[in-house]
Amino acid sequence: ETGVTQSPTHLIKTRGQQVTLRCSSQSGHNTVSWYQQALGQGPQFIFQYYREEENGRGNFPPRFSGLQFPNYSSELNVNALELDDSALYLCASSFSLRGDSTDTQYFGPGTRLTVL
Amino acid sequence: AQSVTQLGSHVSVSEGALVLLRCNYSSSVPPYLFWYVQYPNQGLQLLLKYTTGATLVKGINGFEAEFKKSETSFHLTKPSAHMSDAAEYFCAVSDRSGGSYIPTFGRGTSLIVHP
Repeated sequence: ETGVTQSPTHLIKTRGQQVTLRCSSQSGHNTVSWYQQALGQGPQFIFQYYREEENGRGNFPPRFSGLQFPNYSSELNVNALELDDSALYLCASSFSLRGDSTDTQYFGPGTRLTVL
Repeated sequence: AQSVTQLGSHVSVSEGALVLLRCNYSSSVPPYLFWYVQYPNQGLQLLLKYTTGATLVKGINGFEAEFKKSETSFHLTKPSAHMSDAAEYFCAVSDRSGGSYIPTFGRGTSLIVHP
């Protein structure tokens, strides 16, 4: 059974650019959540996708957007990058009957984004 | 709005000693509560979670936590620390805000285990 994978592992961008991060869910999982973890902080919930639709969002601006594909892989897109977007971005997948984040989530290793 | 407070950014124990990591939360409705562990350069791994029912929850690697509603606490304990327990630990709460469960994490506690 393959776990949650994320790509790329590291990424360097400049302010104002756009970035796409990718996540491959664990086999059989239908829900994916994205988190931003700044250095020395806990993860902050960005949003969650259940059956290809966004069904929960944290306090992040619209320039953070996402997609979930029929095979339940997912993308996180960030437009107009700012210096404060530098962080570790974590993806977590789960199998849910209701589409909420109380189900056990399995996390990927993350993508380290640096914005210069 | 929900929030999580983890008391102590660093906790240091000797190998074999009791581990106690503190977590207090605020929530306007009955919450779901979680403890995660994060090893360097890795994602988070669920240690245990409380949803409903028994207030003492047992997790992996010998960890357990007790939900105390009157104290709004969910402290994590392990009777005897092992060197491999050295990691970052995060407490999280999730309640149904605006129709969706939105998880909120604490800032984390770094557990240091001395030989």
